[in-house]
Amino acid sequence: DTAVSQTPKYLVTQMGNDKSIKCEQNLGHDTMYWYKQDSKKFLKIMFSYNNKELIINETVPNRFSPKSPDKAHLNLHINSLELGDSAVYFCASSQMTGNTEAFFGQGTRLTVV
Amino acid sequence: GENVEQHPSTLSVQEGDSAVIKCTYSDSASNYFPWYKQELGKGPQLIIDIRSNVGEKKDQRIAVTLNKTAKHFSLHITETQPEDSAVYFCAARTGTASKLTFGTGTRLQVTL
Repeated sequence: DTAVSQTPKYLVTQMGNDKSIKCEQNLGHDTMYWYKQDSKKFLKIMFSYNNKELIINETVPNRFSPKSPDKAHLNLHINSLELGDSAVYFCASSQMTGNTEAFFGQGTRLTVV
Repeated sequence: GENVEQHPSTLSVQEGDSAVIKCTYSDSASNYFPWYKQELGKGPQLIIDIRSNVGEKKDQRIAVTLNKTAKHFSLHITETQPEDSAVYFCAARTGTASKLTFGTGTRLQVTL
């Protein structure tokens, strides 16, 4: 059973297009995240949702819009894709209280050409 | 906000030797410090974590130490094996905030 699953695993698209990445967790966690990992492997948080409410919104262009239909799902929609958006995007989930670990998905490698 | 620094960026050891990776954090309110291992093409996976009320934690060949006064924590891997080769990340979380701030990663290479 995959704990945090995201689709697609690979995404190649042209500049200017709009694309979405989906994420689902079956761990019963109340908090989900999107992280971006660049070519140097730096992992940086983009967004965090707790029970469908946005709680963290780092300095991310407003072309990026997260959506959480329920606490088990957190999708990421990106408008007007740019070359610099190329990266690996990771979804993760955790329980808000008790300082527990965050579980990561396998990542979505986005390549903008 | 929290800032986490990690050293070294690359580390090469011979099989059987020990490896040590060090991290420092800036926010004295941080109280949860996980370590993640990321293998090629996969997401980061937790290998060990430590909370601020503990100074040391060990799990088989892996141990983590925390010095709250100096605001640094370290990962120790003993008897390294080729399958330990990966990128390792430290992270810190402050209070009930859900954000994990990651270090810049250490690429560990274990050679035969």
